[in-house]
Amino acid sequence: LAKTTQPISMDSYEGQEVNITCSHNNIATNDYITWYQQFPSQGPRFIIQGYKTKVTNEVASLFIPADRKSSTLSLPRVSLSDTAVYYCLVGLTGGGNKLTFGTGTQLKVEL
Amino acid sequence: EPEVTQTPSHQVTQMGQEVILRCVPISNHLYFYWYRQILGQKVEFLVSFYNNEISEKSEIFDDQFSVERPDGSNFTLKIRSTKLEDSAMYFCATLNPLTGGRNNEQFFGPGTRLTVL
Repeated sequence: LAKTTQPISMDSYEGQEVNITCSHNNIATNDYITWYQQFPSQGPRFIIQGYKTKVTNEVASLFIPADRKSSTLSLPRVSLSDTAVYYCLVGLTGGGNKLTFGTGTQLKVEL
Repeated sequence: EPEVTQTPSHQVTQMGQEVILRCVPISNHLYFYWYRQILGQKVEFLVSFYNNEISEKSEIFDDQFSVERPDGSNFTLKIRSTKLEDSAMYFCATLNPLTGGRNNEQFFGPGTRLTVL
């Protein structure tokens, strides 16, 4: 199982772009990179998933370099409501596969 | 958007008592999971369930834990004899591997906060 390393916390201000980088040096060939968001006292929520290069959806972008040993979640123009814990998960996707969460990155957005 | 629901939102029980946590999965989802999160700690996998049987379970999921889908809709987690260390948020999650569009996303419920006294 690929171990992930991400910053424990980050601070930002409203309107700024936030980039959270995750290291996963021993990612396996079939592993995907998935990011979840968790607000206090709520269940995690899927943000984005990718295998290589760049993926963008209505919420975020995910940048994955060619060696796939790291990935960066980019949140454009954050607001106070983006204050949450962000988890980088690496592993197989599909119904038979559990999610393995690390400690995540606590993002705090201020005015 | 369809949601996973869980009841109760908060359960307080005495040590040694049995508790049943309930989850209503999204209707066309086929895989079901329980996770827990002790206060201030990370989310931990407990068990996955597919086709009316356990697919995988973690070391946490010992003989005191069981899961079932008693009526084809609800998905329950039972703890037979609760311990103080079972106090945590318990999250149900479900997945439909056939949709494809969201890359096999697991949808989490709002959680049940279990407090064992």
